[in-house]
Amino acid sequence: GAVVSQHPSWVICKSGTSVKIECRSLDFQATTMFWYRQFPKQSLMLMATSNEGSKATYEQGVEKDKFLINHASLTLSTLTVTSAHPEDSSFYICSATHARDTQYFGPGTRLTVL
Amino acid sequence: DQQVKQNSPSLSVQEGRISILNCDYTNSMFDYFLWYKKYPAEGPTFLISISSIKDKNEDGRFTVFLNKSAKHLSLHIVPSQPGDSAVYFCAASGRGSSNTGKLIFGQGTTLQVKP
Repeated sequence: GAVVSQHPSWVICKSGTSVKIECRSLDFQATTMFWYRQFPKQSLMLMATSNEGSKATYEQGVEKDKFLINHASLTLSTLTVTSAHPEDSSFYICSATHARDTQYFGPGTRLTVL
Repeated sequence: DQQVKQNSPSLSVQEGRISILNCDYTNSMFDYFLWYKKYPAEGPTFLISISSIKDKNEDGRFTVFLNKSAKHLSLHIVPSQPGDSAVYFCAASGRGSSNTGKLIFGQGTTLQVKP
């Protein structure tokens, strides 16, 4: 149990385009989903916390207009990187939790912006 | 301010021996701690957790020890296997009334288990 999927697993896009990443909890209802970003050889950096049906809470320094998060259901959250630039290239990982229990992570999405 | 620290970036042990990964934290509000294992280009996999009301939790080859007075926790893997080679992250959370379930991660320790 506790499986979280992400789609796509990797994406290459041109600078200026927008990219949507999906995060799904497959076998449980996720009251909260989190979005992280990881740079090479660094720790996971929390970007935002997303609760179903409400606006996401962004961490300091994360642009909410650039990283749009939607948590429309208890099993799906999406992260849209708007007007992507090369510096947005990174490994994006989501996690899901039920009732503030253990966070279960998705496999991650590698974004490369040309 | 790094609230969760893993001061050893890497650790190498022989197969069959014990691996001990350490983690220190500074925030006394943390009351739930987790260890995750991560391979390159994959998401972290949950290993084991411990609540602050306990000082030890064991699951198979994995044991986590918590020393609240020292604000220190450790993960013991015994016996270590080559398949354990990965990056290990400790994470902490505060479960008080204002808690959002947010995890604070350490920098990670790369474990290499040699055959």
